[in-house]
Amino acid sequence: EPEVTQTPSHQVTQMGQEVILRCVPISNHLYFYWYRQILGQKVEFLVSFYNNEISEKSEIFDDQFSVERPDGSNFTLKIRSTKLEDSAMYFCASSGSSGYQETQYFGPGTRLLVL
Amino acid sequence: DAKTTQPTSMDCAEGRAANLPCNHSTISGNEYVYWYRQIHSQGPQYIIHGLKNNETNEMASLIITEDRKSSTLILPHATLRDTAVYYCIVRAYNTDKLIFGTGTRLQVFP
Repeated sequence: EPEVTQTPSHQVTQMGQEVILRCVPISNHLYFYWYRQILGQKVEFLVSFYNNEISEKSEIFDDQFSVERPDGSNFTLKIRSTKLEDSAMYFCASSGSSGYQETQYFGPGTRLLVL
Repeated sequence: DAKTTQPTSMDCAEGRAANLPCNHSTISGNEYVYWYRQIHSQGPQYIIHGLKNNETNEMASLIITEDRKSSTLILPHATLRDTAVYYCIVRAYNTDKLIFGTGTRLQVFP
């Protein structure tokens, strides 16, 4: 069964450093998403992406964050200058199309720890 | 966005059916009900979704009341591996995002 994969599974970084989290969505999917979950808190939407453009973003997704589809298979989340409060699990998801009838499938997550 | 209300936690004996309720009294006519679960800190796993009819797949059944104000997720024969947090989400038609609440922590015991 096709699945979303994410690398790395764990990342430790120093405050102020840039990090890139990588995702390989399900191969025929066209819509991509990032969510995050701070330890002990809810899963929160960050951004959705389609056709090389951001289609929706939350208030959390400020100028420190960016997303990119650098090639036909990868989808990345970049945090330019990490803060302590960016420590969280980051989940990538993908769906075949947009709309509220389309199921989003999640990857296993990257645990980011900012020191 | 339609708000959902779920019990904080539930227990279920292994091999028995787990029935997880969800209230969504402000749901709109074209909004779907989705269920996901999260085991430990793994990525949310899709279980099932529906609009108004009852749905069944290999994982679970979804029963939606006729007025659509509530639903029940049924795991017919719970196993220890079904221990997880279960999220009921009403998917709004005009947004990409899934809005996760705090869910129901289901503990399956031997």
